[in-house]
Amino acid sequence: SSELTQDPAVSVALGQTVTITCQGDSLRIYYASWYQHKPGQAPVVVIYGKNNRPSGIPGRFSGSNSRNTASLTITGAQAEDEADYYCNSRDISGNHVTWVFGGGTKLTVL
Amino acid sequence: EVQLVESGGGLVQPGGSLRLSCEASGFTFSDFWMTWVRHAPGKGLEWVANIKKDGSDKYYVDSVTGRFTISRDNAKKSLSLQMNSLRAEDTAVYYCVREYSVYENDVFDIWGQGTMVTVSS
Repeated sequence: SSELTQDPAVSVALGQTVTITCQGDSLRIYYASWYQHKPGQAPVVVIYGKNNRPSGIPGRFSGSNSRNTASLTITGAQAEDEADYYCNSRDISGNHVTWVFGGGTKLTVL
Repeated sequence: EVQLVESGGGLVQPGGSLRLSCEASGFTFSDFWMTWVRHAPGKGLEWVANIKKDGSDKYYVDSVTGRFTISRDNAKKSLSLQMNSLRAEDTAVYYCVREYSVYENDVFDIWGQGTMVTVSS
């Protein structure tokens, strides 16, 4: 199966900007989606497609893409943004109907 | 309100079986592929299986192939995951998820609250 690689942990000072990246060959064909996962809660999509935010997701979340890398940027990080963040995309190793997740990035807001 | 509600989780011994269910509401269930995702303690999210809109095609992650079976009943707006020959490494919270794919947008847009499966003697 395809693989998506994320840094295990990232930290950011309150109010500063942080970028979380996701690398993989599937991202040359498909856009990544990004999910915020807090303990005891279901994951929530924060960015999908080229750079789409679902309703209810703050404007400080944005996405970008270049070659085999997708990036999630939080501009002016807040305490409530502390969470695990996962990217995912379709798996290109087969018929492109299965999926793969990155290993996740634990974001700490200092 | 668009909603997915899972049930059926619990404690089961290694080698045992469990059937998870997911009830959908607030959208036309038969218009969407559906997926199961799991989150094992201390691990990341893992895609487990998905099923085509009409139930005709099903796909699985290698680690559950031959042991898990995904199915759906569009009339009842329900999704199921039959899990057999369970192992300790199947211990996880299992999420029922809706796949949304339009143009270049592929995303898991709706998630259930999850149901915990514990495999232990």
